[in-house]
Amino acid sequence: EPEVTQTPSHQVTQMGQEVILRCVPISNHLYFYWYRQILGQKVEFLVSFYNNEISEKSEIFDDQFSVERPDGSNFTLKIRSTKLEDSAMYFCASSMTGRGGYTFGSGTRLTVV
Amino acid sequence: GENVEQHPSTLSVQEGDSAVIKCTYSDSASNYFPWYKQELGKGPQLIIDIRSNVGEKKDQRIAVTLNKTAKHFSLHITETQPEDSAVYFCAASRGGYNQGGKLIFGQGTELSVKP
Repeated sequence: EPEVTQTPSHQVTQMGQEVILRCVPISNHLYFYWYRQILGQKVEFLVSFYNNEISEKSEIFDDQFSVERPDGSNFTLKIRSTKLEDSAMYFCASSMTGRGGYTFGSGTRLTVV
Repeated sequence: GENVEQHPSTLSVQEGDSAVIKCTYSDSASNYFPWYKQELGKGPQLIIDIRSNVGEKKDQRIAVTLNKTAKHFSLHITETQPEDSAVYFCAASRGGYNQGGKLIFGQGTELSVKP
């Protein structure tokens, strides 16, 4: 069964550093998403991406965040200057239609120290 | 704003019993309602979903019901097994061709099935 692949599985970074989280969505999917889950809390939407542009973003997704699809297979989330409160599990997801069938990756656990 | 409330937060059942998890959504434009199972250290895995033009859907031991008028939907697991133990999330989306399809998640239910 096709999978969404995320790397790394765990990243530790110092406050103020830039991090890039990487995702390889399912190859024939057209809609891409980032979500985050702070420990013990619900999964929260960050951003959706379609046709090489952001289609929607949440208020969490401020100027410190950016997304990119640098080639035909990768989808990245960059946090420019990490804060302690950015510590969370970050999930990438993809969908063929944007109307269902969202498949999630296993996540990257980001720890900011 | 858009919100999904999920209850209960924890649920403990004996193996073989049924489990029911309930969700309420606030956005009346929501038209897609998936349920995800999350095991420790893994990402959410889709187990069943329902669209707003359907009232009920079943897949083996799991079923989902939707009441659009009351904006409620529920997950039913029958004949529970220890491997059903996990955190279950409901979600709602107003996914459309121009709307990106973001999911709004409930708070999660930690289901424990005791042998």
